[in-house]
Formats: sequence, C-alpha cells, structure tokens
Amino acid sequence: QKEVEQDPGPLSVPEGAIVSLNCTYSNSAFQYFMWYRQYSRKGPELLMYTYSSGNKEDGRFTAQVDKSSKYISLFIRDSQPSDSATYLCAMSEGPESGGYQKVTFGTGTKLQVIP
Amino acid sequence: DAGVIQSPRHEVTEMGQEVTLRCKPISGHDYLFWYRQTMMRGLELLIYFNNNVPIDDSGMPEDRFSAKMPNASFSTLKIQPSEPRDSAVYFCASRQELKRAEAFFGQGTRLTVV
Repeated sequence: QKEVEQDPGPLSVPEGAIVSLNCTYSNSAFQYFMWYRQYSRKGPELLMYTYSSGNKEDGRFTAQVDKSSKYISLFIRDSQPSDSATYLCAMSEGPESGGYQKVTFGTGTKLQVIP
Repeated sequence: DAGVIQSPRHEVTEMGQEVTLRCKPISGHDYLFWYRQTMMRGLELLIYFNNNVPIDDSGMPEDRFSAKMPNASFSTLKIQPSEPRDSAVYFCASRQELKRAEAFFGQGTRLTVV
C-alpha cells in the first residue's frame, strides 16, 4: 500500500461546477498537507498548504484536513477552464520528526473543466 | 528572481551514454531537491541537499545515479550509464529553511533513453 493514495481521474466537469479532489494517507506522523497544481509540461506549483488539521480558504480554493480519517480534500468553487491541470496532494512529517524534509506526493488527479 | 532553472529541457540519448542534468535554485534557498516523475510512480524524491551538503540519497535508484552541489547556485544529477527505464521527467526544487511547505519547482528535464 502506498503512503499516499490519490485517484488519477481524469475528472471532467462543466465550467462553474464545484470540484472535489481527495487523498488518503497512512502515515499518522504527517503534519504538513499541500496541494500542487501542475499544467501539462510544466513543473508543479504550490497552491496552498495547511499545518495539522483544519480548513484553509484562498479565493476559490478550500483545503480540508481530517487527520482522524487520514483524508484530505481540495475544493474548487466556480471552476474555470484555466483550472484544467493535474492536482497533486503532498505531505510531510512535522518538525519534530527526523523525516520532515521528505515530501511524499500523490500520483495526481487530472482535471478538465469544459467551457 | 527567475525561479528554479533547469537545463536542458529535453534530452534524448542512447542507452549506455552519460546524462547530466543541471539545476540553478532560487537564490537564498537552503534546500535543493531532485525528483523524478513517471506516470506509474508519480513524483519520487531522489536526493536532497541542505546548504550544499547531501543529506538523504536513499531515493537514488542505483549507483548509476549521482548528484552534486558544488555551490549554492548549482547542482547536477548524473546518470551513467543511462538505461531506457530511466526515461522520465526530472525536476529540481528548492526552498528556504523556515518555509517547510513552500517548495518551488523548475520546469523539469524530459529525459528519453532509447
């Protein structure tokens, strides 16, 4: 079993829809939870991150972490064609852990927003 | 800052040849990471440096892979000899010491070994 599981998709939605992207993980020591967006033939770029549990909102994007279920989500409201990309979840342990520099990535979910 | 700069963007080489990938991190960043991305395995950490010192190379798949960081503004990843299964996109990323979740990636080098 992989440490981080992510549905590869593809996920196809109409413009304006609410998108939900999810990851599950098995390492209870993970404390940093990140979402990256990767356009075709480009490097990943950090969208947002949370430390420990809770929600974080940034514009149309909301990240949620449920540590009891080992489950994280990214919601995109009012999705736009420009949101079409692959979304990667990523996680790392906290500063008290010797392995906190290592970021473990999901394999990514490919999203297509249709105009 | 121009961001993390990688070269070349594309590399096609024959099996058995030596391949060298290059990376210039963002100025002032303390950490540099090398990743490999494939469809099957996603993004995998190969090695990372802190202040030019290799800290963890446990992700390097074989002795054919080696990485160096001779100074704060330059790193190389070398594969010798290359094999077709090394074909992948290789990314370099860098970040600052205190911003643990904020890594910046380069555009990647797409390596094809034929």
